[in-house]
Amino acid sequence: SYELTQPPSVSVSPGQTARITCSGDALPKKYAYWYQQKSGQAPVLVIYEDSKRPSGIPERFSGSSSGTMATLTISGAQVEDEADYYCYSTDSSGGVFGGGTKLTVL
Amino acid sequence: QVQLVESGGGVVQPGRSLRLSCATSGFTFSSYGMHWVRQAPGKGLEWVAVIWYDGSNKYYVDSVKGRFTISRDNSKNALYLQMNSLRAEDTAVYFCATSQWNCPDYWGQGTLVTVSS
Repeated sequence: SYELTQPPSVSVSPGQTARITCSGDALPKKYAYWYQQKSGQAPVLVIYEDSKRPSGIPERFSGSSSGTMATLTISGAQVEDEADYYCYSTDSSGGVFGGGTKLTVL
Repeated sequence: QVQLVESGGGVVQPGRSLRLSCATSGFTFSSYGMHWVRQAPGKGLEWVAVIWYDGSNKYYVDSVKGRFTISRDNSKNALYLQMNSLRAEDTAVYFCATSQWNCPDYWGQGTLVTVSS
């Protein structure tokens, strides 16, 4: 079955740029999506179709994709951005999430 | 605004059945596909199933094929997940979500299903 691979954790200081990667063999042909999940809350979509930002998502969140890797970038990460982040994509039979990356901002 | 409210979770014995519901409002339900996604305690997100806007196509993760059935009632703006032959590994919070951009985009708050004897 199709898999998406993320690093388990990323750590940055406030104001630095955080980059979270997601690798998958089908990403050259399929869009990547990104979610933020804070403790005890439902996930929130922060990037769709590789690089588009839903209404209400701060501009510091951006996405890109090249080859088999998609990247979520948080420019000037803030303490409130500390959360788990998941990538998502599709294959011929449905959807798949990456294992998640815990972002620590301190 | 988009609102999704899941219900029907609870404690159930292995091998038994449970039906989850997702009540929706604030958007044209019959125009969008819908997803179920689950999250086991302390674990990551797992996509479970999707149904197209008109119910014509349904897809499932391999681990629930033949046991779970996703369905919808566009006249009631409601989504369902019939779960049969439940196993301990099905224990999770189950979220419903809209599919405006071919992904789970707007999410409910989830309902907890615990499979235990």
